[in-house]
Amino acid sequence: EDPVTQSPEALRLQEGESSSLNCSYTVSGLRGLFWYRQDPGKGPEFLFTLYSAGEEKEKERLKATLTKKESFLHITAPKPEDSATYLCAVRHGSSNTGKLIFGQGTTLQVKP
Amino acid sequence: DAGVTQSPTHLIKTRGQQVTLRCSPKSGHDTVSWYQQALGQGPQFIFQYYEEEERQRGNFPDRFSGHQFPNYSSELNVNALLLGDSALYLCASSLTGFTDTQYFGPGTRLTVL
Repeated sequence: EDPVTQSPEALRLQEGESSSLNCSYTVSGLRGLFWYRQDPGKGPEFLFTLYSAGEEKEKERLKATLTKKESFLHITAPKPEDSATYLCAVRHGSSNTGKLIFGQGTTLQVKP
Repeated sequence: DAGVTQSPTHLIKTRGQQVTLRCSPKSGHDTVSWYQQALGQGPQFIFQYYEEEERQRGNFPDRFSGHQFPNYSSELNVNALLLGDSALYLCASSLTGFTDTQYFGPGTRLTVL
């Protein structure tokens, strides 16, 4: 079983049609869940870090939430410029562990 | 405030050759991590450098090695290139002891023929 699983793999939305992306994880001792946005051929762009269940963070049309075993990235009234691949990653274990474990990503396409 | 920079942008090599990729961290950061991202996949952790030493390593063979310099910049070296090494190589920097959020560079696209 993969430690981090994202769903759906791909999502097509009409402009203004709100939806959510899911990230499920199986690791224990979570020390941070990270959301990144990645445009084709570019490096991931940091969006949010969540550390404990119940935590929420917002940025423009994006809102990230965290439960004990999953996180959601809610997109409200998306625009075509929100089209990208959204990556979820977790860090767990000892304080010296810097390794991020990524999911495979959700590719979002927003049509005008 | 300069972000993470990587060079070169693109690179084409043949099987068996060796390659060196370079990374300069975001200003104020002291830790550099390297990731390999195959097409359509999430990034896979290669290793992390802190205080000029490899602090943690992912599941990659010894053909992959690295170095961190006193100015915190870093190099990734890959020997005896295989076709399967073709990927986007990402460098991420962070500041150990604080939020540890990793910020990524634009990547180096390596193609092995």
